[in-house]
Amino acid sequence: QSALTQPASVSGSPGQSITISCTGTSSDVGGYNFVSWYQQHPGRAPKLMIFDDTNRPSGVSNRFSGSKSGNTASLTISGLQAEDEADYYCSSYSDTTPRVFGGGTKLTVL
Amino acid sequence: EVQLVESGGGLVKPGGSLRLSCAASGFTFSSYAMNWVRQVPGKGLEWVSSITPSGHFTHYADSLKGRFTISRDNAKNSLYLQMNSLRAEDTALYYCARDSEWSYAFDVWGQGTMVTVSS
Repeated sequence: QSALTQPASVSGSPGQSITISCTGTSSDVGGYNFVSWYQQHPGRAPKLMIFDDTNRPSGVSNRFSGSKSGNTASLTISGLQAEDEADYYCSSYSDTTPRVFGGGTKLTVL
Repeated sequence: EVQLVESGGGLVKPGGSLRLSCAASGFTFSSYAMNWVRQVPGKGLEWVSSITPSGHFTHYADSLKGRFTISRDNAKNSLYLQMNSLRAEDTALYYCARDSEWSYAFDVWGQGTMVTVSS
């Protein structure tokens, strides 16, 4: 059982927007501004997409955005493209164990 | 080019040991905290361990129960994971990942090395 809760799957059509949630507790997601999001294509290493809840690393498309409310963080992908189909993981700093991951969400582009 | 290359994975019997290595290049290795993250094929990511830039402080996932030891050699730009008393549930792809300099995020990842624990 993962420390952070994500939906197992989400889907959307090209051009649409989707949101993936990541729910934790006040000991992790809600207590710190250190939620990060990772994209993983099959057979590839994860790639950092969002850090510090809302920030995008250089080179990541501005179609990807992060937000947070209380103990739930969210990743929104706008203008969905076929290449966005991948697994997405959230992670947070935690005061019980330094890092925790969500169980992952499989994004299908219809 | 910033790069992390893992090695040392393989097939080991239950109860055996293995030492993973991660060679870093393209950045000042001694300035960054480093991590090991594992992934059972077809499953999610699991943080395993982290080490501060100097190597003085380390952290481990509770599930490891003292069986793994993380270390680093800044002179050799290398990160290590000594894994003892291996179990079938340790079978996974082990990634080396760099901590972002400004946050608790994994900003650079290696391609991983596969560890299979089986008799």
